[in-house]
Amino acid sequence: AQRVTQPEKLLSVFKGAPVELKCNYSYSGSPELFWYVQYSRQRLQLLLRHISRESIKGFTADLNKGETSFHLKKPFAQEEDSAMYYCALRTDSWGKLQFGAGTQVVVTP
Amino acid sequence: EAGVTQFPSHSVIEKGQTVTLRCDPISGHDNLYWYRRVMGKEIKFLLHFVKESKQDESGMPNNRFLAERTGGTYSTLKVQPAELEDSGVYFCASSQDRAKTGGSYEQYFGPGTRLTVT
Repeated sequence: AQRVTQPEKLLSVFKGAPVELKCNYSYSGSPELFWYVQYSRQRLQLLLRHISRESIKGFTADLNKGETSFHLKKPFAQEEDSAMYYCALRTDSWGKLQFGAGTQVVVTP
Repeated sequence: EAGVTQFPSHSVIEKGQTVTLRCDPISGHDNLYWYRRVMGKEIKFLLHFVKESKQDESGMPNNRFLAERTGGTYSTLKVQPAELEDSGVYFCASSQDRAKTGGSYEQYFGPGTRLTVT
């Protein structure tokens, strides 16, 4: 069965500290994974996609097929990183997404 | 460009009433998706339109939910009659045809409609 697991509901970090949001997936096909972010009072927006292999706002995420993981990392958290983060898996050729439960990140000064 | 818009932003109705949510996708986006987040749970897929056709409605919870996309433009999601468990945030997202985006599946989300059934 397809599944996306984000084990942490809440992650509280200090400004300047590293932050890592965990995401594990189960999927029988070739996975395509995304991280979406929702800042306070804003809409859900795409942060990263694994096929791009890019760094956005200092965040990176590497797809590890052996561990079926797509963890999101940032070496130095900033206060503006406080938001809800969702890991998502594309589950069909039309783009349907399956989301994890989300991780609320709170960065304190 | 305005982005994906949804109306209303918040709706409070009583159990048994009818509510219609509307989504206006980004102009030119053939794909339109509905998702919802029930309190404390993950965002779940409801259905997907390609232009005016329902490509996948496997996530629709039951026959109290009816979605339409007349003319392949805006979409409506009607809940009739509403039940308490229908409360949540309903998101709409749109994306271009992959052939136009070089294979990208990026979906652009609307702000959501918060539905409260009392």
